[in-house]
Amino acid sequence: LAKTTQPISMDSYEGQEVNITCSHNNIATNDYITWYQQFPSQGPRFIIQGYKTKVTNEVASLFIPADRKSSTLSLPRVSLSDTAVYYCLVAMNSGYSTLTFGKGTMLLVSP
Amino acid sequence: NAGVTQTPKFRILKIGQSMTLQCAQDMNHNYMYWYRQDPGMGLKLIYYSVGAGITDKGEVPNGYNVSRSTTEDFPLRLELAAPSQTSVYFCASSQQVTSGGSEQFFGPGTRLTVL
Repeated sequence: LAKTTQPISMDSYEGQEVNITCSHNNIATNDYITWYQQFPSQGPRFIIQGYKTKVTNEVASLFIPADRKSSTLSLPRVSLSDTAVYYCLVAMNSGYSTLTFGKGTMLLVSP
Repeated sequence: NAGVTQTPKFRILKIGQSMTLQCAQDMNHNYMYWYRQDPGMGLKLIYYSVGAGITDKGEVPNGYNVSRSTTEDFPLRLELAAPSQTSVYFCASSQQVTSGGSEQFFGPGTRLTVL
C-alpha cells in the first residue's frame, strides 16, 4: 500500500481558501486518491476522490499533477464548521479497498 | 436509509470479559470493514468482508473475530478483553463497483474502555 505524507496541522481563518497537500511517491498505477473528513467523535466522511488532473464537487476540489506523486485538497472559503481532521489515502482501483489511514491533517478554522 | 448503524455507543469491560460489537448496514453493500482508532491516531483496519461468508484479516486482527452470515450484518467479537483494546471502533461499508475506487460509509462508532 502506498504511504502518504501530509502536514500534521494547519490553521486558517473563515472565508479563506485552504490547500492541504499530500505526497504519495509510491502510488501505483491502479491507485485512486481519496480524501476523508473526520469530526470529533464521528466516523470519517468521504469528501472527494480522483485519479488524475482535477476533480471538483460541491464541497472541494482535488488537484493531481501528471506524475501523481502528490495531490492537493482545496477547500474554498472555509467556515468554522470545516474544523476537522482530513485524511489523504490511496487505494486500489477495485470494488473494495483496504484503506490505510495516517494521522491526517488537523485543520483549525478561526473566526 | 439508516446507513451504517453500530451498537452499543459506549461500553466498559473488565479485563478478560468478552463482548460483541454490532454493525448493520441497509445499503445492500457487499463490502464491510472494522477499524479501530486510538486517541490522536488514524484508523487501523481490523477485519474486512467482501461478501456474506467471506472475511479476511486487516492490519491489526489479533484479539478479534468476525463473522458475516448476512449481507447486512458484520459483528466484531472481542474475546478476553485487554486494556490495549481500549479504543473507538468504527464499522464501514462500501458498494461493489466495476471501476474506480469505492467510497466507504462509516458508522458513528463504539467507544470501548477496558479496565
